Amino acid sequence: AQSVTQLGSHVSVSEGALVLLRCNYSSSVPPYLFWYVQYPNQGLQLLLKYTSAATLVKGINGFEAEFKKSETSFHLTKPSAHMSDAAEYFCAVTNSGYSTLTFGKGTMLLVSP
Amino acid sequence: EPEVTQTPSHQVTQMGQEVILRCVPISNHLYFYWYRQILGQKVEFLVSFYNNEISEKSEIFDDQFSVERPDGSNFTLKIRSTKLEDSAMYFCASSDGQGEADTQYFGPGTRLTVL
Repeated sequence: AQSVTQLGSHVSVSEGALVLLRCNYSSSVPPYLFWYVQYPNQGLQLLLKYTSAATLVKGINGFEAEFKKSETSFHLTKPSAHMSDAAEYFCAVTNSGYSTLTFGKGTMLLVSP
Repeated sequence: EPEVTQTPSHQVTQMGQEVILRCVPISNHLYFYWYRQILGQKVEFLVSFYNNEISEKSEIFDDQFSVERPDGSNFTLKIRSTKLEDSAMYFCASSDGQGEADTQYFGPGTRLTVL
């Protein structure tokens, strides 16, 4: 079985500050990991994914995530937050390339001026 | 850019009624999925569909649920007799099955409210 834990249902940062959203996973086999973002009244949009190539993955909008097997983590970061980054972020895992996604509960990112 | 669309955006129904949620996946995609998110909870997998049949389903996807691809473009989720606990946001997703860990593209969701 696989699972995802996202620490913090809400994270607040100031504009220009570092964004760090935490994700830990559990998987019995090497995982594939994803971060999705959901803006209000929109669907889930892929930010980035880890497959097995580089452990540091760069995504859209300046986000990146690092796969750390020893820590079973896949934290999402962005050096400088922008107001437009305010959204809900979901970490997800699958253990097969074409299989279902198991999601975390999501973290709402709030950005203040 | 191609996108997954879903209709309606909101659906209100009475308990015991049948509902059909509709999705138009991206046109060249081969794999189709339904997920749901009950308010305040995780996004949960319901069912996946490939080559005109269900390829995987969760324990949530019981006999009250069914999926269909009635034509070359639509992918539907039917709930035969809705219960209060079916109230949730339902997301459709599709993927092209290419590459390692292909990406699932999600629609904007249908919010289902069962009264």
